[in-house]
Amino acid sequence: SAVISQKPSRDICQRGTSLTIQCQVDSQVTMMFWYRQQPGQSLTLIATANQGSEATYESGFVIDKFPISRPNLTFSTLTVSNMSPEDSSIYLCSASSVGSYEQYFGPGTRLTVT
Amino acid sequence: AQKITQTQPGMFVQEKEAVTLDCTYDTSDPSYGLFWYKQPSSGEMIFLIYQGSYDQQNATEGRYSLNFQKARKSANLVISASQLGDSAMYFCAMREGPTGNTGKLIFGQGTTLQVKP
Repeated sequence: SAVISQKPSRDICQRGTSLTIQCQVDSQVTMMFWYRQQPGQSLTLIATANQGSEATYESGFVIDKFPISRPNLTFSTLTVSNMSPEDSSIYLCSASSVGSYEQYFGPGTRLTVT
Repeated sequence: AQKITQTQPGMFVQEKEAVTLDCTYDTSDPSYGLFWYKQPSSGEMIFLIYQGSYDQQNATEGRYSLNFQKARKSANLVISASQLGDSAMYFCAMREGPTGNTGKLIFGQGTTLQVKP
C-alpha cells in the first residue's frame, strides 16, 4: 500500500494570502485527487490532478482559486489562493492506481484563515 | 447521478457491543466499489473495508464487516466488540467503474460514533 505525506500539517494564514500544500506518495500512482473538508462536513472533491496536463476541476471549483500541479507520478501541489475565512478546512490528498481498488489518503492539512 | 446517504448523524454504543452504521447508495453503473473510512479527531482518513459490486460475499476485515444488500442498494458497516478507540466519524463512499477505472470517490455525510465505557 502507498504511504502519502502532506506538508504542512497545519497552518494559520491571513486573509488575502496564498498557501501551497504539498503531497508526496512513496510509490508511483496513476491518479491523485484533492479533497476539501469544511468544519463538520463531509469530503468534497476539488479536482483530479493529472500528470503532465491541467487538472480536472469539479463543479464549484476553479483553477484561479485552486491551482494544482502534478509534475510526476508521485508528487502534487494544491495552492489555495487569495484566502478568506471560508477556506478554513482540512485539505486531503488522495491517490489510487489502475488495477487496485485501494484509495489512499494523506494525513491532511488543517488550514485556518483569519 | 451517484449519491451516498448516511442517515445517522450520531450513534452511541456500549463498549464490547456490536453496532451497525447505515449507508445507502444510488448509481446507474453496474460496476462500482463501496468503501468505509474512519476519521478520528486528528483528521486522517483510515481505510476500513471495501466491497466491489460483483463480489459474491460480504467483505470482512477483522472486527469490521460490510452487510452488502445489492437489491436494496445498501452497504452497512458492522463493528463487532466495540472499543473506546472506535469513537470517531465514519464515512461511507462510492467509486463508480471497475478497479481499472481509478475514478473519484463520492462521500456520504458521515456518522459520529461514540463508544461508552
